Amino acid sequence: SAVISQKPSRDICQRGTSLTIQCQVDSQVTMMFWYRQQPGQSLTLIATANQGSEATYESGFVIDKFPISRPNLTFSTLTVSNMSPEDSSIYLCSVERESSGANVLTFGAGSRLTVL
Amino acid sequence: GQQLNQSPQSMFIQEGEDVSMNCTSSSIFNTWLWYKQDPGEGPVLLIALYKAGELTSNGRLTAQFGITRKDSFLNISASIPSDVGIYFCAGLLYGNKLVFGAGTILRVKS
Repeated sequence: SAVISQKPSRDICQRGTSLTIQCQVDSQVTMMFWYRQQPGQSLTLIATANQGSEATYESGFVIDKFPISRPNLTFSTLTVSNMSPEDSSIYLCSVERESSGANVLTFGAGSRLTVL
Repeated sequence: GQQLNQSPQSMFIQEGEDVSMNCTSSSIFNTWLWYKQDPGEGPVLLIALYKAGELTSNGRLTAQFGITRKDSFLNISASIPSDVGIYFCAGLLYGNKLVFGAGTILRVKS
């Protein structure tokens, strides 16, 4: 199964700054997914990161706020731009892995951001 | 958008008791997944269900994919302290898009 490493694991950020989260996978994957988990909430898909093309964003999320890079098949970054306290969340990277002949999502440990 | 209704929102049970939680939706899903999230960690897949009516076990965990494909339940038998955490159901829509339930917080009294 894929091992996913995220950095930073947590950070405290000042309002108005930007932070880039890195996601490294130990095997090549076609698609990588970025999720947000607001405090006490469930997971919401931000975007799908495809290698060699622009990320596909879900409704309510835009590239200017959450730019994503996918330079190769094992790495992606998510930037949270011009942060406000409402951006305080856990940001999770995920990839598909095979389970019983089907693909299911595996998650990294997440990056917990607190914006002051 | 698609929504999953997960219940209960939280549970506080005695060690050794059985636990049941479920998810329902107005939409049909092709796959149901159950995840557990421990504090400071990402969700970990517990059980995946691929066929309507399917009943699958993983140790003390049992989950079923509803016949109508609009619901699923997860049972935990003989709960132990390490079962504490947040349990999420998730339904797979088209492609790779997962929709998550709001989660069930499980607390176990020793």
